[in-house]
Amino acid sequence: DQQVKQNSPSLSVQEGRISILNCDYTNSMFDYFLWYKKYPAEGPTFLISISSIKDKNEDGRFTVFLNKSAKHLSLHIVPSQPGDSAVYFCAASSKAAGNKLTFGGGTRVLVKP
Amino acid sequence: GAGVSQTPSNKVTEKGKYVELRCDPISGHTALYWYRQSLGQGPEFLIYFQGTGAADDSGLPNDRFFAVRPEGSVSTLKIQRTERGDSAVYLCASSKGTGGVTDTQYFGPGTRLTVL
Repeated sequence: DQQVKQNSPSLSVQEGRISILNCDYTNSMFDYFLWYKKYPAEGPTFLISISSIKDKNEDGRFTVFLNKSAKHLSLHIVPSQPGDSAVYFCAASSKAAGNKLTFGGGTRVLVKP
Repeated sequence: GAGVSQTPSNKVTEKGKYVELRCDPISGHTALYWYRQSLGQGPEFLIYFQGTGAADDSGLPNDRFFAVRPEGSVSTLKIQRTERGDSAVYLCASSKGTGGVTDTQYFGPGTRLTVL
C-alpha cells in the first residue's frame, strides 16, 4: 500500500502563475516531509522540507504547507518559471524508521512560456 | 564540490546474469542509501549504510540483492540471477550522517538497468 500519494500525475501552468502540488500520506508516524525536484537523466534534488511541528515553511518562490489533521501537504511555486518544468516528488520520513525516505509517485509540472 | 556519482550510467544485461552497480558518495558523507525507481513511480528505499555497516536493509526485495560498503565510502549494489522485473533506475544518495531526519540526502544521477 502506498503510504505517500501524489494523486495528480501532471500539471500544466502558465509562466508567472502559481503552481500547486498536492501530497497525501497515511502513516501518522511520519514527522518530516520533503519535496524533491527531478529533471530527466538526473537524480532528484532537494527543494524544501518541513517538520511536523510546523505548518508552513517558505524558501524564496517555494512554500510548503502541512495539514497534519488531514495528513496532507502541498507545495506552492510562485511565480512559476519555465525552468521549474520537472517532476516533483513528495517524500516523508520518521524518527522511528530512521532516515529512509518514502516517496510519492511524482507530479510532472510543465510551465508554459 | 563533486556530487554523488554512479557507474555505469546504463547497464543492459540478460536474464539470469549477475550485475554490480557502483556509487561514489560525496566526500565526507558517512551515510549512504540505495533506492530503486521503476517506470512511472517514485524511488523506493532499498538499503541504508552508516559507515561500513548496513543500518537498515529492510527494503531489499529478496536475497538476490546485496550491497556492501567495505571502507565506508564507495558502495556496490550486487544483483544475482537478474530478472526482467529488476529493470529500473537504481539511485544512490549520501548524507552527512548526523542521524536526524533533517540530514538531507543528495542523490546521484542513477544507473538505468535493463534486463532482457
